[in-house]
Amino acid sequence: AQSVTQPDIHITVSEGASLELRCNYSYGATPYLFWYVQSPGQGLQLLLKYFSGDTLVQGIKGFEAEFKRSQSSFNLRKPSVHWSDAAEYFCAVAAEAAGNKLTFGGGTRVLVKP
Amino acid sequence: DSGVTQTPKHLITATGQRVTLRCSPRSGDLSVYWYQQSLDQGLQFLIQYYNGEERAKGNILERFSAQQFPDLHSELNLSSLELGDSALYFCASSFRTGGYEQYFGPGTRLTVT
Repeated sequence: AQSVTQPDIHITVSEGASLELRCNYSYGATPYLFWYVQSPGQGLQLLLKYFSGDTLVQGIKGFEAEFKRSQSSFNLRKPSVHWSDAAEYFCAVAAEAAGNKLTFGGGTRVLVKP
Repeated sequence: DSGVTQTPKHLITATGQRVTLRCSPRSGDLSVYWYQQSLDQGLQFLIQYYNGEERAKGNILERFSAQQFPDLHSELNLSSLELGDSALYFCASSFRTGGYEQYFGPGTRLTVT
């Protein structure tokens, strides 16, 4: 069965500083990987996805993520955070063999200091 | 705006009652997924439909059921409600099953009192 671990429950970062959110997955083959963001009281917005090909993927709002097969990781990065990036971020994995359902990590809540 | 709509936005009901949550997928999407988000369980997959047929089941209770109609909208029925069923219920849609991203609706917040 597939699983996702987000080791950091909370991260506090200063506005303008860089941000990296960690994600490790467990799956036998190459999965489909996603990052979603959830602002308070809102739904989940897709930031970026990895299906195959280039292991560095670009997303919306200036985010990028790198797939590292050897480390079973898919970390999310942003070079300079804005106050509006304060939200909860979820890493997710899907596998066609499992019906493409999303398995989510526990989420990382990002707080942005002025 | 993802293009996925869910109604109602909020629902407050009593234990033992039955409710129906409705989801309309993005135009052209054939697959609908239901997820539950709660503080103790996080985000969990409940069930998936593709073009009217059940495709996959997750940790969905027997008290819960769903269906997808010919116009591709979906309904999630929750019966004999318990306090622990209080959660955010999300619907997501994708064009097909494998290899396509899922877009989420705004969710329905269910409170069982």
